[in-house]
Amino acid sequence: DSGVTQTPKHLITATGQRVTLRCSPRSGDLSVYWYQQSLDQGLQFLIQYYNGEERAKGNILERFSAQQFPDLHSELNLSSLELGDSALYFCASSASGTGKTTNEKLFFGSGTQLSVL
Amino acid sequence: AQKVTQAQTEISVVEKEDVTLDCVYETRDTTYYLFWYKQPPSGELVFLIRRNSFDEQNEISGRYSWNFQKSTSSFNFTITASQVVDSAVYFCALSEDMDSSYKLIFGSGTRLLVRP
Repeated sequence: DSGVTQTPKHLITATGQRVTLRCSPRSGDLSVYWYQQSLDQGLQFLIQYYNGEERAKGNILERFSAQQFPDLHSELNLSSLELGDSALYFCASSASGTGKTTNEKLFFGSGTQLSVL
Repeated sequence: AQKVTQAQTEISVVEKEDVTLDCVYETRDTTYYLFWYKQPPSGELVFLIRRNSFDEQNEISGRYSWNFQKSTSSFNFTITASQVVDSAVYFCALSEDMDSSYKLIFGSGTRLLVRP
């Protein structure tokens, strides 16, 4: 068990809908990351938050948004869903999330499987 | 632009064989990090190793070893005496962003099947 909790584990919805994925980082970790794993795109980094603020952005669509709350949990909001958004969405956390911490590890949750029908 | 290539899509070996998973990366930065992650059938991603570009020492952890060669931009992963539990998809990844060490660029993964 990595200590990173993602809910729900599975989500089935229809095109055009909006969903929210939730992530609770490991106790004490300040950084949360979101990744998407799809058949087409493989594994790709979406976005990182550090202590409530956006730290880095990857290939995140404008229809997607995220935030990190004062209690450090994070939510990834996906709107106007398309068939191609079907993927496994991972959340991960690390203690600080900067490149200056040489021994810092990244811990992944078990993912939310999103199916858009 | 940065890129990670794992040319081996799938590898099948018999238990106790040694197996090497290849990873070739492209980057223009002189400072970067390289990673290996394991994704077992259960789906979660498990961290295996992180290596920074200044440290070219090879590393061994039990049956696992990593060979980092900057001259060929490769970071290969060897499993010695493979076991059925090693069956998984293995991802190599690169990070150039020093403000965010986990803005990772992943390879497409190598599926390893270890047969009894």
